[in-house]
Amino acid sequence: NAGVTQTPKFQVLKTGQSMTLQCAQDMNHNSMYWYRQDPGMGLRLIYYSASEGTTDKGEVPNGYNVSRLNKREFSLRLESAAPSQTSVYFCATHRTGTDQPQHFGDGTRLSIL
Amino acid sequence: QKEVEQDPGPLSVPEGAIVSLNCTYSNSAFQYFMWYRQYSRKGPELLMYTYSSGNKEDGRFTAQVDKSSKYISLFIRDSQPSDSATYLCAMIKTGNQFYFGTGTSLTVIP
Repeated sequence: NAGVTQTPKFQVLKTGQSMTLQCAQDMNHNSMYWYRQDPGMGLRLIYYSASEGTTDKGEVPNGYNVSRLNKREFSLRLESAAPSQTSVYFCATHRTGTDQPQHFGDGTRLSIL
Repeated sequence: QKEVEQDPGPLSVPEGAIVSLNCTYSNSAFQYFMWYRQYSRKGPELLMYTYSSGNKEDGRFTAQVDKSSKYISLFIRDSQPSDSATYLCAMIKTGNQFYFGTGTSLTVIP
């Protein structure tokens, strides 16, 4: 089935550890996004990629890096995890240059102790 | 001030009730409007997508857009326990810029 797949679904880290969250899509969309979702804060954009080889910062990029590996895959890396990065992370895709909706994965629930 | 405002609720209604969910926005550049439904521990899934002012109906769901008042609504008729979820409004200016409300938590009590 077409869609957006995120791995892992759950992860617990210690402060200072590093981790990469993976996102893969088979919707043939050019644009991919990483959001974090926190209670009362809604979805906040971390980074996005309008096409393979390009990435741009969103609203809350500090403490994160991204890699657009190819058209299908967009990864989010935490180099030195902090408790403030405890959140649910969502990947989304979009057909670049259109006003079509975004499509989301089911998220990665990340806890940092 | 946020560009998109949404009452977080929570909202609790009896089964069969009509539910009204609302968002306001401040920028007239928003052209396309969406409602997403998010079940617990799942990602947002697209429920309704509309462009023009007026109503768009899909089964028990009606999306309403009033561009003059910068106000959008989602109505759920004959609400069911399976409608219990968080509902997010979203809108696009142009291209790749998406803006989301914070979500309204809805519980439909059997």
